[in-house]
Parts: sequence; C-alpha cells; structure tokens
Amino acid sequence: TQLLEQSPQFLSIQEGENLTVYCNSSSVFSSLQWYRQEPGEGPVLLVTVVTGGEVKKLKRLTFQFGDARKDSSLHITAAQPGDTGLYLCAGAPTGTASKLTFGTGTRLQVTL
Amino acid sequence: GAGVSQSPRYKVTKRGQDVALRCDPISGHVSLYWYRQALGQGPEFLTYFNYEAQQDKSGLPNDRFSAERPEGSISTLTIQRTEQRDSAMYRCASSPTGVDAFFGQGTRLTVV
Repeated sequence: TQLLEQSPQFLSIQEGENLTVYCNSSSVFSSLQWYRQEPGEGPVLLVTVVTGGEVKKLKRLTFQFGDARKDSSLHITAAQPGDTGLYLCAGAPTGTASKLTFGTGTRLQVTL
Repeated sequence: GAGVSQSPRYKVTKRGQDVALRCDPISGHVSLYWYRQALGQGPEFLTYFNYEAQQDKSGLPNDRFSAERPEGSISTLTIQRTEQRDSAMYRCASSPTGVDAFFGQGTRLTVV
C-alpha cells in the first residue's frame, strides 16, 4: 500500500505569513496533484505535477515535485483568510492511469 | 452538466437496508471514481471505471459493496445490508484523462 504523509497536520497562522506544506512517500508516483477542500464541499484540484523537479506557480501558491517523484511541497506566500481549508496531496502510482492515493491532509487556518 | 452531480446529498437508512448512491459525471469524462472520505481525512479509493468497464475494485471493503456504470456515463454505488460502519461521505469524481479528478459534493450516508 502506498502512503502519502503530509506535514504539518494542522497549521494556524496570521494573514500575511508564509507557510510550506509537505507531502512525502516512499513510493514513486507518475504524477501528483494538490487539492483544497472547504467544509461541506468536495476537493478542488489546484495543480498537477508530472516531471521530477517540476515547479508550478499559481498566484501566491508554489508547488514542487521532488526529483525522485516521491515527494512534493506546497508553499503559500502572504497567506490570506481565503486560503483556509484542508489541503490534500494525491499521487497516481507509476504504471497506472488512475487510482489516486490521497495524503493524510493538512488543515490550514489563516486569521486576520 | 457543469460539474459532477451526486444524489442524494444526504441519506439516512436503517441498518440492514440496501442503498444506492448515484453519480452523474461531467459530460464526456472517460474515467469515473468512487471514494469514501472520513471527516478531516483524505478520500479513500473504492473503485473506478473507464467508460463502462470497471478497471479496479480493490478498494471496495467487502462484497456488500458494488458499483456499475452500464452506459459509460452515470454510475451507481450500491451497498447491501448496510451496517453502521458504512456511515461516511461517499464521493464521486470524474476525469477526462484519468489523472486530474473533479469531485462532486458527495453523499453523506448515515446508517442508524
């Protein structure tokens, strides 16, 4: 069974601070996604990374896929209250087209 | 439709009853997934389809759970002889490529 461990589990910060969320596994993934989920809603896809070492930016969010495609990070610059939510990484195993394995989740709260 | 639609949104059923959960994916999406999500955690894979073919059902907990997608569009997840441990949020997702997943709002199942 492939596991994705996220850290930290919980993060409470003030508006304007920077933060990094980590997603780690001992397994290699063909691609990795990051999702944000708000209470009562389904996860919403933020980004997909597919190449080892790849870096993608989405406004204040920067995503990086590890060189060995086993880990990823999400960095948020100048966090805002609207960033509050559950952040989930999800990996697609090498050699398969689907069947995402989701991480344990990081709950972020940004206060004024 | 514009997004993945699941029905019902909430289902309360008595222990021992059968339930059928419906998922209407985004039009044209080839892949359809079923996940189960506990509060505060990431979704857990149950099964997925490409078109009408069930590709992987390894995540189904036991033989009381089954799923079908007979015409390659709408899918039904059926749970027979429900038990209290089946209570959870059941989420459906669809994908055009088998990589990125777009989630519905889910069906909250409560077995009493």
